Amino acid sequence: DGGITQSPKYLFRKEGQNVTLSCEQNLNHDAMYWYRQDPGQGLRLIYYSQIVNDFQKGDIAEGYSVSREKKESFPLTVTSAQKNPTAFYLCASTNRQGNEQFFGPGTRLTVL
Amino acid sequence: SQKIEQNSEALNIQEGKTATLTCNYTNYSPAYLQWYRQDPGRGPVFLLLIRENEKEKRKERLKVTFDTTLKQSLFHITASQPADSATYLCAPRELNDYKLSFGAGTTVTVRA
Repeated sequence: DGGITQSPKYLFRKEGQNVTLSCEQNLNHDAMYWYRQDPGQGLRLIYYSQIVNDFQKGDIAEGYSVSREKKESFPLTVTSAQKNPTAFYLCASTNRQGNEQFFGPGTRLTVL
Repeated sequence: SQKIEQNSEALNIQEGKTATLTCNYTNYSPAYLQWYRQDPGRGPVFLLLIRENEKEKRKERLKVTFDTTLKQSLFHITASQPADSATYLCAPRELNDYKLSFGAGTTVTVRA
């Protein structure tokens, strides 16, 4: 089955620790994205990548970092510099035409 | 700066009626506008895309219009059903730009 996987579904971390969220896709899509969603709010774009070894900041990149070493993978690191990291994180991908985004199931991060 | 605004109020409608959702954008010149559905705790799912040269697009009970002069898209759910209850998100996209930001969404509840 083609799709996007995110792991884990739930993640708990202590304040001050960096944490890396995984996102893998087997859709052969060029572009990948990370969004953050807070309760009752819309999606906010953190980072996106059009091709391997290249990525751009979205609307709320501060306190986050990404890498894109492989086409299938786009991990997101939430650093200790992110002041309010508790949120629902969604990864997405799209093909070269960009006509439709496919989303993963999300990771709910709670920082204690 | 770019802004995407959707109906701020949730929509509560009776089964069988038509729900109309609004998406307004500023500082965008979108070549496409996409609509997604999101259920609680899940990633959004793509519904429809409308291009700048299309006035209207239909898919089953869904209808989308796009007015580039008003900088607005309307999303209609006709003959609504309780299963249509969800949050609906719009996302304008400019040509050759992979960046995709979303509106905050409008939550629709259809009463039986």
